[in-house]
Amino acid sequence: QVQLVESGGDLVKPGGSLRLSCAASGFTFSDYYISWIRQAPGKGLEWVSYISSSGSSIYYADSVKGRFTISRDNAKNSVHLQVNSLRVEDTAVYYCTRGGRRSLTSFDYWGQGALVTVSS
Amino acid sequence: EIVMTQSPATLSVSPGERATLSCRASQSVGSELAWYQQKPGQAPRLLIYGASTRATGIPARFSGSGSGTEFTLTINSLQSEDFAVYYCQQYNYYYTFGQGTKLEIK
Repeated sequence: QVQLVESGGDLVKPGGSLRLSCAASGFTFSDYYISWIRQAPGKGLEWVSYISSSGSSIYYADSVKGRFTISRDNAKNSVHLQVNSLRVEDTAVYYCTRGGRRSLTSFDYWGQGALVTVSS
Repeated sequence: EIVMTQSPATLSVSPGERATLSCRASQSVGSELAWYQQKPGQAPRLLIYGASTRATGIPARFSGSGSGTEFTLTINSLQSEDFAVYYCQQYNYYYTFGQGTKLEIK
C-alpha cells in the first residue's frame, strides 16, 4: 500500500533551519510529483512546494520562496524540504503528499505530518 | 492567485439528512477541483477530484458537481463518521485551498 512517512519536525528558534524528509513506499516513486502542504495550528491548508517526478520542475509558494528548498532522491524514494530562516508563522504540521504523474493534480495520498514549531 | 471561498463556515445537520457544501473560485478553474475531508488529528483524505469523480474507496453518498467557478459537495444520508472539516482545492493554476467548512452534528 502507498505510504508517505515524514520526519524531521522539531522545535526551533526564529531564524533557524530544519530538514524535513519524506520516505515513500508502495508505488513507483519516480513516476509521481510530490508536494509539501502545511497546516498551522487550528488553521486551514496551505500548499508550500512541489517537485516533479524527475526533479526538473520545482515551484514554491510566495510565502516560502527563497527560504525553502525542495529536493528528491528517486534512488532512495525520498523527498526533502530544507527550511531556512524560519519565522514564527512557519509553525505548522507539514504534510508530504503524492500528486499525479503530471503537474497540477489533486493529492491522493498524504503522510501523517511532521510538526515544526518556531518559537523563542 | 486563485482565491477559493467556501460556505458556510459551519454547517449543522442531523445524521441521516443531506449536507450541501459550496465552494467558489475567484476565476474559472474548469473542472480542476478537489474535495478533502479532515478529522481531528488526522491528515486530509481525498474525496473528489475532477470536480465530480470519487476517489478510490469513497462511498457513493459523497458526490461533487460544478465547473468553472461554482462547485458543490453533497453528502447524502449523513453518517456519524462524516462529521468533519471539508476543504475544496483548485489545481488549475498552482494550488489553493478554501478555508474549510466544519460539518457538525445538529
